[in-house]
Amino acid sequence: ETGVTQSPTHLIKTRGQQVTLRCSSQSGHNTVSWYQQALGQGPQFIFQYYREEENGRGNFPPRFSGLQFPNYSSELNVNALELDDSALYLCASSARITGPQETQYFGPGTRLLVL
Amino acid sequence: ILNVEQSPQSLHVQEGDSTNFTCSFPSSNFYALHWYRWETAKSPEALFVMTLNGDEKKKGRISATLNTKEGYSYLYIKGSQPEDSATYLCASSTGNQFYFGTGTSLTVIP
Repeated sequence: ETGVTQSPTHLIKTRGQQVTLRCSSQSGHNTVSWYQQALGQGPQFIFQYYREEENGRGNFPPRFSGLQFPNYSSELNVNALELDDSALYLCASSARITGPQETQYFGPGTRLLVL
Repeated sequence: ILNVEQSPQSLHVQEGDSTNFTCSFPSSNFYALHWYRWETAKSPEALFVMTLNGDEKKKGRISATLNTKEGYSYLYIKGSQPEDSATYLCASSTGNQFYFGTGTSLTVIP
């Protein structure tokens, strides 16, 4: 069974640029969630995708957007990068939306540095 | 937004010592509590999910308890080993969102 993978592992961008992060979900999972972990903080929920539709969003501005593809892989796009966007971005997949008890399985993350 | 807190922030123990740390969460509208172990440069690994007051879960030398009425969970590690060194995260989940604490960083000294 292949776990959750993310690419790239590291990325350096400058303010104002755009970035796309990618996530391949675990085999058999149709739900993908994205989290941002800033230095010294716990992961914060950005949004979730279920069957290619956004299914909930955290307190992040519209310049954070996402996509989910028919194979359930996902992208996180961030436009007009700001210095505060520097963080570790985690992707998590789960088997289905059954409720809060469903375990989310995480990838290793993409570390983004905005200069 | 749920405020989930973990304590202590970091912990150093000697190999063989037993240890425990705490996750506090709002007790109102509680649904589920998740524990993860996160080793450096790896993916967070799911340890336990607990939903019922009084739940106890065990995985090898690691166990966890849940008190939903007072809003806390304890994670216990018996006979700590160097390979237990990691950050332990808890998250309270409602629907599709996980609300994480900032984690407890455990270092086990050989």
